[in-house]
Amino acid sequence: EAQVTQNPRYLITVTGKKLTVTCSQNMNHEYMSWYRQDPGLGLRQIYYSMNVEVTDKGDVPEGYKVSRKEKRNFPLILESPSPNQTSLYFCASTGGELYNEQFFGPGTRLTVL
Amino acid sequence: AQKVTQAQTEISVVEKEDVTLDCVYETRDTTYYLFWYKQPPSGELVFLIRRNSFDEQNEISGRYSWNFQKSTSSFNFTITASQVVDSAVYFCARRGNMLTFGGGTRLMVKP
Repeated sequence: EAQVTQNPRYLITVTGKKLTVTCSQNMNHEYMSWYRQDPGLGLRQIYYSMNVEVTDKGDVPEGYKVSRKEKRNFPLILESPSPNQTSLYFCASTGGELYNEQFFGPGTRLTVL
Repeated sequence: AQKVTQAQTEISVVEKEDVTLDCVYETRDTTYYLFWYKQPPSGELVFLIRRNSFDEQNEISGRYSWNFQKSTSSFNFTITASQVVDSAVYFCARRGNMLTFGGGTRLMVKP
């Protein structure tokens, strides 16, 4: 079954404590991305990766890092989280002949106190 | 940035009413894809439909229908005979080089 998994699903943390949200896909897709969802703003892209070792900034990259050491995994790293990073985060994997198949993970709800 | 606009932030209807969710997009791409997603209260994103820019034929799937008008850059979504289970946030999105989402429309269907 085609799947994108994210962990953890829920996380409450404190300002400045480094955290990583993992994302994994089983479809051998080259393109993966991270979004954050905030009320009234829809989903905004944080970072994306076209392939292994190829990453680039999306619309709202400040305060985030990513890595793509292997095709299936695309972790999102918050080196020093701040309260304005409290949000709902989605990982997505994109494939298909014309990159028109989008698969989203179940979401990670992050609260930074 | 090429925006996707969902002007209706919140819509409230009574069950069995028809409701249309508007979506207007900007694009400089000649080839692009349009999507609608549903986000129920549980939070996951549920894929509803994908259309490519070359196919302006309207589509119907059960109670759902989509009206793609390239001339007005709109991709509206109609739910016929709405049900309480249709209550959710609905997102329109456009994909050229990147997937860009609208701000979402919260639909509340009351019994």
